[in-house]
Amino acid sequence: AQSVTQPDIHITVSEGASLELRCNYSYGATPYLFWYVQSPGQGLQLLLKYFSGDTLVQGIKGFEAEFKRSQSSFNLRKPSVHWSDAAEYFCAVELTDSWGKLQFGAGTQVVVTP
Amino acid sequence: DTGVSQNPRHKITKRGQNVTFRCDPISEHNRLYWYRQTLGQGPEFLTYFQNEAQLEKSRLLSDRFSAERPKGSFSTLEIQRTEQGDSAMYLCASRDSYTGELFFGEGSRLTVL
Repeated sequence: AQSVTQPDIHITVSEGASLELRCNYSYGATPYLFWYVQSPGQGLQLLLKYFSGDTLVQGIKGFEAEFKRSQSSFNLRKPSVHWSDAAEYFCAVELTDSWGKLQFGAGTQVVVTP
Repeated sequence: DTGVSQNPRHKITKRGQNVTFRCDPISEHNRLYWYRQTLGQGPEFLTYFQNEAQLEKSRLLSDRFSAERPKGSFSTLEIQRTEQGDSAMYLCASRDSYTGELFFGEGSRLTVL
């Protein structure tokens, strides 16, 4: 079955430490890949996207993600987190013939400690 | 602000009542999507419009749900005879045809008592 998996429901990280959020997908072909962030009371905001080309993608707020076809993964990273990065993060995929319909993972809640 | 606008932001209703949510997309976007997000889950696709045409509906959209986009601009999502299981955040998004990016509204939270 087609799926998007975010293995970590909850991650706690110290301010200034590095962060990596995992995302794996299960599809026959390489989909378009996205990471969104959702802060309390806010809408979803796009951090970055991968359609094709360079497998290391730079996004907003200092985030980057790497697409690894062999592992069907699209992990999100940030070298040094800020307290404002506390939020829920969603990985999403779009099949190339699905009219822009996204399938989301269940999300990873990130808590940043002082 | 010319982002995606949704209202009401919060709605509390009793079981069996009807509710309607409105979404105003970014004006130049012709694709509009509705998603539903329950606690602890990612958003789930409900339906999609290109201009005024509703092109796809999820199995999640029972016959109590109806969505319209009458003039290809704003859209409404109506839930009839609400049930407690309908309690969720209803998200609207519109799509930039050039970049492919979806822009989400802040959502309409429904609580059915």
